[in-house]
Amino acid sequence: GESVGLHLPTLSVQEGDNSIINCAYSNSASDYFIWYKQESGKGPQFIIDIRSNMDKRQGQRVTVLLNKTVKHLSLQIAATQPGDSAVYFCAENTGTASKLTFGTGTRLQVTL
Amino acid sequence: GAVVSQHPSRVICKSGTSVKIECRSLDFQATTMFWYRQFPKQSLMLMATSNEGSKATYEQGVEKDKFLINHASLTLSTLTVTSAHPEDSSFYICSAKRSGARINNEQFFGPGTRLTVL
Repeated sequence: GESVGLHLPTLSVQEGDNSIINCAYSNSASDYFIWYKQESGKGPQFIIDIRSNMDKRQGQRVTVLLNKTVKHLSLQIAATQPGDSAVYFCAENTGTASKLTFGTGTRLQVTL
Repeated sequence: GAVVSQHPSRVICKSGTSVKIECRSLDFQATTMFWYRQFPKQSLMLMATSNEGSKATYEQGVEKDKFLINHASLTLSTLTVTSAHPEDSSFYICSAKRSGARINNEQFFGPGTRLTVL
């Protein structure tokens, strides 16, 4: 989801369920995308990345899907655990400077 | 490996004073480091790119004379917020890109510095 203003969209899921976090990116020239997890008061932590020549990539319990046609990225977390509770950001890289543009973020709340 | 530290983790200062934040790559060399600012419940906004041995590149709207960046070695970049004001209160985060890395996921983030200006 995308947020406007000061309110992060929140996704609440029950422990054990699958989570899907969405992100819309703006630059069709972006060639590299990363998902980060940020816990309160900490820096972002790398989760998974994907290049623009791919449409799916899987990691441990996580899958990233890329739809370049509609400029959409999603992060799927399987069997969500309480430790997955955090804010999740997508980031896109455009060009060769390695500069990242972060999305607005989604807060994931895992309920027991 | 690939640990980035920041110091201090928290700082409170009076309006008008200057504050220096350090970003260190502990177990790798980083030709390039990045400085971000994050306001509460918002995303990270890139402020500047710090290059070892050369001037930093600032993003549009970021005052280079207010946010001084020095990247004097391959493991240390500093951000100095000069004449800080309450609106500069924020969470400042650095990241470091491993020297020679061609892929962007070799960019590691520090734990952040919470700056509060009274």
